[in-house]
Amino acid sequence: DAGVIQSPRHEVTEMGQEVTLRCKPISGHDYLFWYRQTMMRGLELLIYFNNNVPIDDSGMPEDRFSAKMPNASFSTLKIQPSEPRDSAVYFCASSLTGNTIYFGEGSWLTVV
Amino acid sequence: GENVEQHPSTLSVQEGDSAVIKCTYSDSASNYFPWYKQELGKRPQLIIDIRSNVGEKKDQRIAVTLNKTAKHFSLHITETQPEDSAVYFCAAGNTPLVFGKGTRLSVIA
Repeated sequence: DAGVIQSPRHEVTEMGQEVTLRCKPISGHDYLFWYRQTMMRGLELLIYFNNNVPIDDSGMPEDRFSAKMPNASFSTLKIQPSEPRDSAVYFCASSLTGNTIYFGEGSWLTVV
Repeated sequence: GENVEQHPSTLSVQEGDSAVIKCTYSDSASNYFPWYKQELGKRPQLIIDIRSNVGEKKDQRIAVTLNKTAKHFSLHITETQPEDSAVYFCAAGNTPLVFGKGTRLSVIA
């Protein structure tokens, strides 16, 4: 089992640039979650999908953030334009049941 | 919605001692309570979980207890070892989970 696969693992970008984070969930998992982790705010749920449909996006901080899941094996989280306060670790996670979740290795984003 | 409080935020213990981390939750409908361990620079990994129809669960040196009436649950680590040093997160809910802010555990050799 390859686990949840995220890319890129590390990204440094300049303020104003577009950032796209990618995720491949565990095969057969119907739920996909995007979390953001910072020292100040801990692990925050941004959005989650069930069967490729966004169910709850109330955690998306603002319109600069968008997420898509075009098929069962791929999701993207996009930030446009990026700002320094978006610097964080972004985790994708997937679940078969909706509650036992498995995290990817994370994408470490730095916006300068 | 669900709100999860976790205490303490940092905990230092001597190797071989026990460590206890406590969490409270607000939503009585929550029925799933996992604990995750996150080592520095790594992803959170599930170490143990408990469901609302069970009061206690053990796995070697790790145990979790749940008190649904009081809406709190705890992680107990016995005979701590240096490799137990990490950040531990509790979570509660159904779908989606809500995470506590984490406890940084340091085991001093």
